Amino acid sequence: GAVVSQHPSRVICKSGTSVKIECRSLDFQATTMFWYRQFPKQSLMLMATSNEGSKATYEQGVEKDKFLINHASLTLSTLTVTSAHPEDSSFYICSASSVADRNTIYFGEGSWLTVV
Amino acid sequence: AQTVTQSQPEMSVQEAETVTLSCTYDTSESNYYLFWYKQPPSRQMILVIRQEAYKQQNATENRFSVNFQKAAKSFSLKISDSQLGDTAMYFCAFMEYGNKLVFGAGTILRVKS
Repeated sequence: GAVVSQHPSRVICKSGTSVKIECRSLDFQATTMFWYRQFPKQSLMLMATSNEGSKATYEQGVEKDKFLINHASLTLSTLTVTSAHPEDSSFYICSASSVADRNTIYFGEGSWLTVV
Repeated sequence: AQTVTQSQPEMSVQEAETVTLSCTYDTSESNYYLFWYKQPPSRQMILVIRQEAYKQQNATENRFSVNFQKAAKSFSLKISDSQLGDTAMYFCAFMEYGNKLVFGAGTILRVKS
């Protein structure tokens, strides 16, 4: 089946620094990629939707300057958490839908971010 | 806006028994998809089953089946012959054609030996 890879799976960074998380579709072209944040024992909260070559669409309440999303190619989207703070510590998951079938969603393995 | 409601925060079932997880949703659309995802402790999101709204027949995948009631906007998941490996958080999700997924709050399922 289709594979979406996220990297890194775990990252620790210092307060005030920026950290980048990558989401790659390994064997298909992803028209659209989605970024979620998940707190313990809670549901996935959609942060933004990114389409290749255009600006991301952010959900209400998500700071676009804080969470920079770039979708430069049909196989790669990145989430950069800028000027990270401890409250940004969370589990971040990406998903992607393919050019061939926009109604099938594939999820990455997720990335744990800890800001110290 | 579409909403998805899972009214059971936690459930338990004995190994080999059957359990049903409930899900209701609200939409004015007529064409959409419904999903059940499993999230084990590894946090990987695993697609359990998918239902297209225009199909009247309930989807089935081995021990997993759904009861899709379109008029009632209900989409429950039945797990038969529960196994220890079924222990996970289960999310019901809704999607308009080609659009984003909307998730319910999730149900933690514990299978006991």
